[in-house]
Amino acid sequence: AQTVTQSQPEMSVQEAETVTLSCTYDTSESNYYLFWYKQPPSRQMILVIRQEAYKQQNATENRFSVNFQKAAKSFSLKISDSQLGDTAMYFCALNYGGSQGNLIFGKGTKLSVKP
Amino acid sequence: NAGVTQTPKFQVLKTGQSMTLQCAQDMNHNSMYWYRQDPGMGLRLIYYSASEGTTDKGEVPNGYNVSRLNKREFSLRLESAAPSQTSVYFCATSKLGIMNSPLHFGNGTRLTVT
Repeated sequence: AQTVTQSQPEMSVQEAETVTLSCTYDTSESNYYLFWYKQPPSRQMILVIRQEAYKQQNATENRFSVNFQKAAKSFSLKISDSQLGDTAMYFCALNYGGSQGNLIFGKGTKLSVKP
Repeated sequence: NAGVTQTPKFQVLKTGQSMTLQCAQDMNHNSMYWYRQDPGMGLRLIYYSASEGTTDKGEVPNGYNVSRLNKREFSLRLESAAPSQTSVYFCATSKLGIMNSPLHFGNGTRLTVT
């Protein structure tokens, strides 16, 4: 079975500092995609970043970057220069090709950015 | 530029009542999905539709039915609502239903069953 685990239910960070959110996953597939989604209080689900398992280079999108460790099945999200608008739930998700594109989600990490 | 539109945004039902959640997309995507989000549980797949005319069960289909009316619309029906179905429901779409296609979400429906 495919699983995604986020071990940090809640985290906080001071504005302008850096924070790392953890995610581990399990799949027997050789190729898959990993995603981080952000859900602010507005409830909208917003794609933050994605990573293909075959690519060794870690994905980066502006202040957001990932540390992808395939052997360890780890996919952490680093947010640099944290802003108040980064306050949100963050979900790690796995797409292994099952169910026609279905994502398997972790339970989420609630991030609070403090001024 | 609506993207994925869900109606209604909020709904309160009494146990045993029925209702249909509507989802429409103008992104010309083939695949559509219904998820439910519960505190501490992440998002779980209820049903999905890979293309017009096809639907399949996801992880938590019991108590729900779906209809893929056409390429644009995918509805979720609760025939006899139960308190366990109190949740936030999300409709999502993807272009091709393949691994690198991200999901595009609607804004969700908060459903309370009393």
